Amino acid sequence: NAGVTQTPKFRILKIGQSMTLQCTQDMNHNYMYWYRQDPGMGLKLIYYSVGAGITDKGEVPNGYNVSRSTTEDFPLRLELAAPSQTSVYFCASSSSDRINQPQHFGDGTRLSIL
Amino acid sequence: GDSVTQMEGPVTLSEEAFLTINCTYTATGYPSLFWYVQYPGEGLQLLLKATKADDKGSNKGFEATYRKETTSFHLEKGSVQVSDSAVYFCALISSGSARQLTFGSGTQLTVLP
Repeated sequence: NAGVTQTPKFRILKIGQSMTLQCTQDMNHNYMYWYRQDPGMGLKLIYYSVGAGITDKGEVPNGYNVSRSTTEDFPLRLELAAPSQTSVYFCASSSSDRINQPQHFGDGTRLSIL
Repeated sequence: GDSVTQMEGPVTLSEEAFLTINCTYTATGYPSLFWYVQYPGEGLQLLLKATKADDKGSNKGFEATYRKETTSFHLEKGSVQVSDSAVYFCALISSGSARQLTFGSGTQLTVLP
């Protein structure tokens, strides 16, 4: 039971570098999400997807891009890393049947921009 | 827009003490309500949920009741253990939100032996 898998677990970037955070799920969920968690704060939604080929912005999308070419994968890209993007990033997925379906989370990627 | 307000932390209790973490919400329509728990170094795990008024969610000795009249979903446990030390998040999904979770800021719980 892999669930939601995120890679890498940790990464340090220099300002201006780019990278892709990987997220894959094996539950055949249509809905996928990217959140960031800053110290002492709740999670804030960056982007989400309701199915392959469909993505939309969340609360804090600036500086990020996503794609959803398959049901399983939902990578998050940082094009020009900035110190403000230092955070812990969580990917989640859920089925699309009803609003009472919980989201399943990966273990997170801890990203530091120096 | 939707919002969740959680009791400020951190909370420190002795083992076997009673726990309450307050959570109130503002949402359109009839949201589903959730409590998630985050253990150190891990992702969030669903602890319990309630999908309509007066529903009680329960799991691992934790309980929370969906109170529509007070827009609240307080988390309780009668006797906490050291292993319950974690961060607890109250969250909601409201209708028409593309299933987006709105989270509270989290409450850090530390249980001392």
